[in-house]
Amino acid sequence: SAVISQKPSRDICQRGTSLTIQCQVDSQVTMMFWYRQQPGQSLTLIATANQGSEATYESGFVIDKFPISRPNLTFSTLTVSNMSPEDSSIYLCSVDRGSSYNEQFFGPGTRLTVL
Amino acid sequence: GQSLEQPSEVTAVEGAIVQINCTYQTSGFYGLSWYQQHDGGAPTFLSYNGLDGLEETGRFSSFLSRSDSYGYLLLQELQMKDSASYFCAFDNYGQNFVFGPGTRLSVLP
Repeated sequence: SAVISQKPSRDICQRGTSLTIQCQVDSQVTMMFWYRQQPGQSLTLIATANQGSEATYESGFVIDKFPISRPNLTFSTLTVSNMSPEDSSIYLCSVDRGSSYNEQFFGPGTRLTVL
Repeated sequence: GQSLEQPSEVTAVEGAIVQINCTYQTSGFYGLSWYQQHDGGAPTFLSYNGLDGLEETGRFSSFLSRSDSYGYLLLQELQMKDSASYFCAFDNYGQNFVFGPGTRLSVLP
């Protein structure tokens, strides 16, 4: 298994500002994933981040709004830009166990509230 | 398109057996995964079916039938700590990873 930490654990931000969420893994991993989850709802994949290449974004998510960095095999950041109240959500990073998506380990999440 | 369907809520008593169903629609996928998430917690991996049939992991078992586009998670000897949300999910041939809407399981004493 992998141990994943996220910073910050929660934040309250003003409309129009940006927040960068950090995800740190205790071992080198190929793929890192960023999800969004509204309380009581399912998880929606935002993007997949591979080290050394640009992130791959899912339909409905764009790089200008959610820029992602993946500088090495243990770390990634997700920025939520120009925030609005609709961005209030829990943001989770995860890593895969091997070469497939099927078993993922999730970080504790970042609870974001935008006022 | 690609989607998964699950019952929104299931209730059972301690010691009982409960089955959470998952039906899906996709043009192709590697297999079906199951995740558990307690309130305020992160999802944790439970089980994966890459092939049709039953996979058993302790009190939890998962089943997949590709011909029926159907799978289920079976929880035996229910305990209060099993009260959580359960998600089925699939990997759409590496294109993306899709979670179902989740089933909230309440275990009653």
